[in-house]
Formats: sequence, structure tokens, C-alpha cells
Amino acid sequence: RKEVEQDPGPFNVPEGATVAFNCTYSNSASQSFFWYRQDCRKEPKLLMSVYSSGNEDGRFTAQLNRASQYISLLIRDSKLSDSATYLCVVKGSSNTGKLIFGQGTTLQVKP
Amino acid sequence: EAGVTQFPSHSVIEKGQTVTLRCDPISGHDNLYWYRRVMGKEIKFLLHFVKESKQDESGMPNNRFLAERTGGTYSTLKVQPAELEDSGVYFCASSQHGVRYEKLFFGSGTQLSVL
Repeated sequence: RKEVEQDPGPFNVPEGATVAFNCTYSNSASQSFFWYRQDCRKEPKLLMSVYSSGNEDGRFTAQLNRASQYISLLIRDSKLSDSATYLCVVKGSSNTGKLIFGQGTTLQVKP
Repeated sequence: EAGVTQFPSHSVIEKGQTVTLRCDPISGHDNLYWYRRVMGKEIKFLLHFVKESKQDESGMPNNRFLAERTGGTYSTLKVQPAELEDSGVYFCASSQHGVRYEKLFFGSGTQLSVL
């Protein structure tokens, strides 16, 4: 079983749609959680951290459920520029900087 | 401010040859990481430097891979001899002091093709 699992998609949605991505992780000792965005043939870039209380950044909302070991990302009012691969990322204990990546979920927003 | 830079951006070599990848982290970043993405798979951790010391090298695939960070500045990752399964994109990332500082900045990667 992979340490971080995501539905690879692709998710094809029209502009303006709301889309949600989910992710599960296997290590209950994981400490920190993130969503990264990766455009085609580019490097991953941090989109947002995910906190237990849930957090929002503009059109993006992230949620964490530690009991279910589940992370989500909601994108409202999708833009063409949101088209990318969204990577669910987990960091282990506080003593390590190692990040564990999911395989990514591909989003294609169409006009 | 310059970001994380990697060189070369692409490398095509034959099986059995040696390749050295270079990473220049953001100035002042003590943490430097190497990650790799093999086609069709997720990005995987290779190793983590804190300054010039290897903090965690649990992700290094085998002893054909050698990473160095002399003087705690730039880092090199050498693959010798290269095998077909080493093909992939090698990313370098850096972050500020302390592993608790969690924002990693990634370089644009080196695409390695072993033929």
C-alpha cells in the first residue's frame, strides 16, 4: 500500500465549477500536511499547508481529518489557470524534513 | 532573489556511464533535499542535508548514488554507473534552518535519460 494515496484523475471540469480532491495517508504519526501544485514539466510548488481546523486561501479550502487519515482540497470557481497536477504531501515526524508525496491528481479546467 | 537552480536541465547518457547533477540552493538555506520522480510514479525522497551533513539518506536507492555537499553550499548527486531504471526527473529542494520550517522550494529538475 502506498503511504499517500490519491485518485490520479484526470478531473475535467468547466470553468466556474467546484472540484474536490481527496487523499489518504497510512502513517498515523504524520505531523504536517500540504497540497503542492505541479504544472506540466515544472517543479512542485507549495499551494497551501493543511491544518486540523481546516484552512482557506481564496478559492482554495483544505481540510484534515486525523481520525480518518484523510486530507481534502476544494477549489471553488475553477479558472483555466487552475489546470495542473495537485500533489498531496505528508511530512513524518518533526525530526525529519522528508516529504512523502502522493502520485498527484490531474485537473483540467475547460472553457 | 535567485531560486533553487539545477544543472543540467536534461542529460542523456548510455547505460554504464557516469552522470553528475548539481544543485544550488537558495542562499542561506541550510536544508537541501534530493527527490526523484520516475515516470508513472510519485516523487520520492532520496536524501536530506543539513549544511554539509547528511541528515537522512534513507531514500538513496543503492550505492551507485553518491551525494555530496561540500562546504554546505551547493550539492552534487553522482550516479555511477547509470542503469536504465535511473531514468527520471531529479529534483532538488531547499528550505531555511530547522526541519520545522516546512516550506520547501524546488528547483526545476534535471531530466535524466539512461539509454
